Amino acid sequence: ETGVTQSPTHLIKTRGQQVTLRCSSQSGHNTVSWYQQALGQGPQFIFQYYREEENGRGNFPPRFSGLQFPNYSSELNVNALELDDSALYLCASSLEGAGDTQYFGPGTRLTVL
Amino acid sequence: GDSVTQMEGPVTLSEEAFLTINCTYTATGYPSLFWYVQYPGEGLQLLLKATKADDKGSNKGFEATYRKETTSFHLEKGSVQVSDSAVYFCALSDRAGNQFYFGTGTSLTVIP
Repeated sequence: ETGVTQSPTHLIKTRGQQVTLRCSSQSGHNTVSWYQQALGQGPQFIFQYYREEENGRGNFPPRFSGLQFPNYSSELNVNALELDDSALYLCASSLEGAGDTQYFGPGTRLTVL
Repeated sequence: GDSVTQMEGPVTLSEEAFLTINCTYTATGYPSLFWYVQYPGEGLQLLLKATKADDKGSNKGFEATYRKETTSFHLEKGSVQVSDSAVYFCALSDRAGNQFYFGTGTSLTVIP
């Protein structure tokens, strides 16, 4: 059974640029959630996708957007990057009907200069 | 809105000591409660969970009881090991499982 994978591992961007992060969910999992984890802080929920639709959203501006594909993989897109967007971005997948039990990927470290 | 407040760290204990990490929550409705652990160099892992009042979650010698009257979900272990050194996060989700809130994490170091 393949776990949750994320790419890239690390990324450096400059302020104002756009970035796309990718996540492959664990085999059989159709729900994907994205989190932002600043250094020394807990993960902050960005949004969740279920069957290609946004299914829940945290307190993040619209420049944070996402997609889920028919194979349940997912992308997080961030436009107009700001310095405060520098963080570890985590993806988590879960099974239908068990949305509260999540399996996390290793994360993508984004640095905005 | 919903939130989780977690005991500040870092916590340093000797091997075989008793561990308590406090967690309290604010939520509307009936959330599910979780403890996640992040070992050095690894990703977040679910340690235990409880989905309703008075439920006790347990795993690897760790326990936590969902206390609705005190809105708490404290993590305990009777005898910690060096291998328990990690960062522990308390978290909650709404009943539907599509909104999540994490605490700030508590770093635990266990010394031999």
